Amino acid sequence: DTAVSQTPKYLVTQMGNDKSIKCEQNLGHDTMYWYKQDSKKFLKIMFSYNNKELIINETVPNRFSPKSPDKAHLNLHINSLELGDSAVYFCASSTHYEQYFGPGTRLTVT
Amino acid sequence: SQKIEQNSEALNIQEGKTATLTCNYTNYSPAYLQWYRQDPGRGPVFLLLIRENEKEKRKERLKVTFDTTLKQSLFHITASQPADSATYLCALVESSGSARQLTFGSGTQLTVLP
Repeated sequence: DTAVSQTPKYLVTQMGNDKSIKCEQNLGHDTMYWYKQDSKKFLKIMFSYNNKELIINETVPNRFSPKSPDKAHLNLHINSLELGDSAVYFCASSTHYEQYFGPGTRLTVT
Repeated sequence: SQKIEQNSEALNIQEGKTATLTCNYTNYSPAYLQWYRQDPGRGPVFLLLIRENEKEKRKERLKVTFDTTLKQSLFHITASQPADSATYLCALVESSGSARQLTFGSGTQLTVLP
């Protein structure tokens, strides 16, 4: 009975490729997020999104784009992958203040 | 510049003692502050939230304090157990920002020794 799920768990790909990470939440939350956690374990917000508003962290390259087919899903598309994109990506959702995180997707770009 | 600093990267403590973790912030005006727990290979899990007008919050063996004058939050785990070993993250939401955009500290890895 997973609350926030992500696929795939691991993703290994080459520089220059385009990839997607999927996220689904079954909590009925109205806001979803993507975070990046780097090798130093620093967790940084990339996007927050609900049906009214997309907020993009200004440091996120435009190669990254969130796409939401419906309220329960927020997928992350990454174009032209670079070595520096290697990290763990977490999806999260919330309806009030506390956020519920998925298990993470470890992306390795070679 | 804006910073959120957690006292140390790693903290070792003996079982049964109280663990105290520190979160200091600079150039933020947080409306509230949250603490999360993260285990290896997993996503963060919400523990506690404290608002700017609250001094202290408790939940079972956990206690959080928030001092907006000192720009600091303390997170205490009393009667610590080896199962409490994890990385603990503080996160804040600014008064002026999006209501739900969290900014995280870098975390403190707590190890409770049996």
